[in-house]
Amino acid sequence: EAAVTQSPRSKVAVTGGKVTLSCHQTNNHDYMYWYRQDTGHGLRLIHYSYVADSTEKGDIPDGYKASRPSQENFSLILELASLSQTAVYFCASSERGFYAEQFFGPGTRLTVL
Amino acid sequence: QQKVQQSPESLTVSEGAMASLNCTFSDGTSNNFRWYRQHSAKGLEVLVSIFSDGEKEEGRFTAHLNRANLHVSLHIREPQPSDSAVYLCAVSMGLLSGSFNKLTFGAGTRLAVCP
Repeated sequence: EAAVTQSPRSKVAVTGGKVTLSCHQTNNHDYMYWYRQDTGHGLRLIHYSYVADSTEKGDIPDGYKASRPSQENFSLILELASLSQTAVYFCASSERGFYAEQFFGPGTRLTVL
Repeated sequence: QQKVQQSPESLTVSEGAMASLNCTFSDGTSNNFRWYRQHSAKGLEVLVSIFSDGEKEEGRFTAHLNRANLHVSLHIREPQPSDSAVYLCAVSMGLLSGSFNKLTFGAGTRLAVCP
């Protein structure tokens, strides 16, 4: 059974609209992450969280907010979606620790028109 | 800032032939390296994690790390058509990462294995 799930799996949004991507993990992990992947590029870290009710900025946080209401759930929020935010978004979770493995969800394909 | 580059961008091999993928990184203090496989429309699956110079084998997948040359490679023995996917190299920037494994990813190598 998948330990990191994402919803929706795909979404079409309009420019200027609000988009919320959701992630749920059953790994009992402290850390959760949001990445985006653009065609021909690797994954880039947007936000991460190491405890409920707290989030941290990653490498490309502009235009995104994150919310961690519980250990299991982590959301990515685009308040005003833009064309440049069309991408595939991945959520991941890991235990605390430098060598801890990250476990990824299946991804959400977001298209902003 | 860490830069991770993968080569080739795409690779086609015959079933059963060895497939070799390359990854170079810019931060010589890096000591945490992973290879992931990404099938179309699916998440990432970790194949091999390597933390010191030398070789690490996980089934048909072997990683070679040479930090002096800023290079890590992945070799796939006896590849199958089901191994056709995008392979991503991920590197951690070392102790500056803090208490979690902050990864920098390469753009990937698209591997096609022909029967």
